[in-house]
Amino acid sequence: GAVVSQHPSRVICKSGTSVKIECRSLDFQATTMFWYRQFPKKSLMLMATSNEGSKATYEQGVEKDKFLINHASLTLSTLTVTSAHPEDSSFYICSARSSGSKYEQFFGPGTRLTVL
Amino acid sequence: GQNIDQPTEMTATEGAIVQINCTYQTSGFNGLFWYQQHAGEAPTFLSYNVLDGLEEKGRFSSFLSRSKGYSYLLLKELQMKDSASYLCAVRNNTDKLIFGTGTRLQVFP
Repeated sequence: GAVVSQHPSRVICKSGTSVKIECRSLDFQATTMFWYRQFPKKSLMLMATSNEGSKATYEQGVEKDKFLINHASLTLSTLTVTSAHPEDSSFYICSARSSGSKYEQFFGPGTRLTVL
Repeated sequence: GQNIDQPTEMTATEGAIVQINCTYQTSGFNGLFWYQQHAGEAPTFLSYNVLDGLEEKGRFSSFLSRSKGYSYLLLKELQMKDSASYLCAVRNNTDKLIFGTGTRLQVFP
């Protein structure tokens, strides 16, 4: 099956710093990538949808200036958490969908962000 | 609004059968997915239903009734490794996956 990787898998940072998370589709071209966050024992909440070469579409309540998303190529999307605060600590998961797979999304392994 | 409901937790015994229910109210419907998620890991795809009826895949089956806004995931011959969270997700009319709260299943020996 299709493989999606995320880097880093875990990151601890100080409050006020910025953190970049990478999401890569390893063996297919991802025309669309999705970013989710998940709090402990809660389900996935969609943050934004990004299509290659265009601006991301953010869900209601998600600050676009705080969570910067770039989908520069068909295999890479990045999420940058700017000026991170402890409340941004969460599990961030990306998923990718190719143009040839209308229904299935492939999920990355997730990134655990802890902001001190 | 959009709402997907699942039981929060369930327990079952190894070798038994368990049914996890999911009801949904979404802006449009373009398919329903079930995912398995172990703690600290990403969800893995289990099943996809877009038409009414039962889809069987080995020990796992998934059922859909669009008129009732209802689905269930059936797990047979439970194994200890099936202890995980099971997420019901609906693709709405804007092509987004909306996830339910997830059901944490614990399988006991």
